[in-house]
This record gives sequence, structure tokens and C-alpha cells, in this order.
Amino acid sequence: AAGVIQSPRHLIKEKRETATLKCYPIPRHDTVYWYQQGPGQDPQFLISFYEKMQSDKGSIPDRFSAQQFSDYHSELNMSSLELGDSALYFCASSSYDGGMNTEAFFGQGTRLTVV
Amino acid sequence: GQQVMQIPQYQHVQEGEDFTTYCNSSTTLSNIQWYKQRPGGHPVFLIQLVKSGEVKKQKRLTFQFGEAKKNSSLHITATQTTDVGTYFCAGNDMRFGAGTRLTVKP
Repeated sequence: AAGVIQSPRHLIKEKRETATLKCYPIPRHDTVYWYQQGPGQDPQFLISFYEKMQSDKGSIPDRFSAQQFSDYHSELNMSSLELGDSALYFCASSSYDGGMNTEAFFGQGTRLTVV
Repeated sequence: GQQVMQIPQYQHVQEGEDFTTYCNSSTTLSNIQWYKQRPGGHPVFLIQLVKSGEVKKQKRLTFQFGEAKKNSSLHITATQTTDVGTYFCAGNDMRFGAGTRLTVKP
């Protein structure tokens, strides 16, 4: 079965550069979530989209933006990268059914290293 | 968001011992989900609880949702080394608790 696909798997950027992370949800899933997970930390919710509209916003820095496209894939754009942005970035997808989110499936993550 | 708190932060057990992690919220939750993340892996869905007082079992794992829908627990009976990982809970807003990191000594 198709899973959540994230690309790239690894990314190395220099400070002040930009990065774009991509997420391809499971087919027919209408909701996408982005998380940032630092070493030894829990996944921090950044932002989510439902039916291509932003549905919730968490601790996403102003330097970051995201969107969900017509084919439901999502991109997380990160600008003016800082050393502290080095982390594992997860994307997850789920369906919204009956007023609540069903189980979320996570991608393998993108490991971003800022040097 | 629906902030969920988890305790304990760490738990180290001998293989064969039981393990329990607790998830608490200050507000009523519409549902709660539990995830497991192995070291170096991504979170994997375990279960979703929706009903007040609901209890669900998956082999050695027992999940409970409190009557007031403000707390939940995950209990593992007779832990095995394959149970190693971090267990997270999340409310319907998909914000994770801090997690409980379980290590199992063979």
C-alpha cells in the first residue's frame, strides 16, 4: 500500500539559505500535518491543511510557510535558515471523518542539517 | 490546542515487567490517539479512543480512555525488547504529548 512520501530524505543547507520540503500524502487523504522533531524531543506540531486550506497553526516560525496544492501534496518552505532549524521534519496525512481525524500515517521524515 | 501532558517521561523496566504511561488533559478531549516511535523511526499509529470509559486491547497492550475524557493510559503487560520506543498520545488537534520513553533490559 502507498505510504506518505517525503522528499528529500536528507538535506544540508547553510545558514540563511532556503529549503523546500515536500510531502505526498496517502491517496484520498484530505489532511496533511507538518512536525519538527529535534534530537530527543517530541514532534512539535507546525501546521496542518485540510482540503488545501490551512486548518491549524502551531509553533511554525514566521520564516516558514507551507501550502497544500490541488493534488493534495504539500510543501514546507523554510527561509533564512538558522542552526536551530536542524531537525527531523515529519509529514503525516489522515482523513477527516465524522468531525474527527482518523489515524495519521507518517512519512519517513526529512532530516535537515543547517551548517 | 488541546495540550496533553504525559508521565512518566522515562521508564526503564526489566523484560517481563509491566509498563504504564499516562496522558492527561485539562480539557475534555473528543478523542485520543496513541503512537509509538522506535529509535530512529517515525511515529506509528497504535489506536484511537473515542468513547468515555473506552477500553481497547491489542495483544499485550491495553488502552483506556477516562470517563471524563480528560485522561488516558497505555498499559503493556510483560514487556519485551520489541516494546522499546517512545509512546506518544495526541488529542484531536494532533499535538503530541512529550512522550514516555521506554527502555527494556533483557
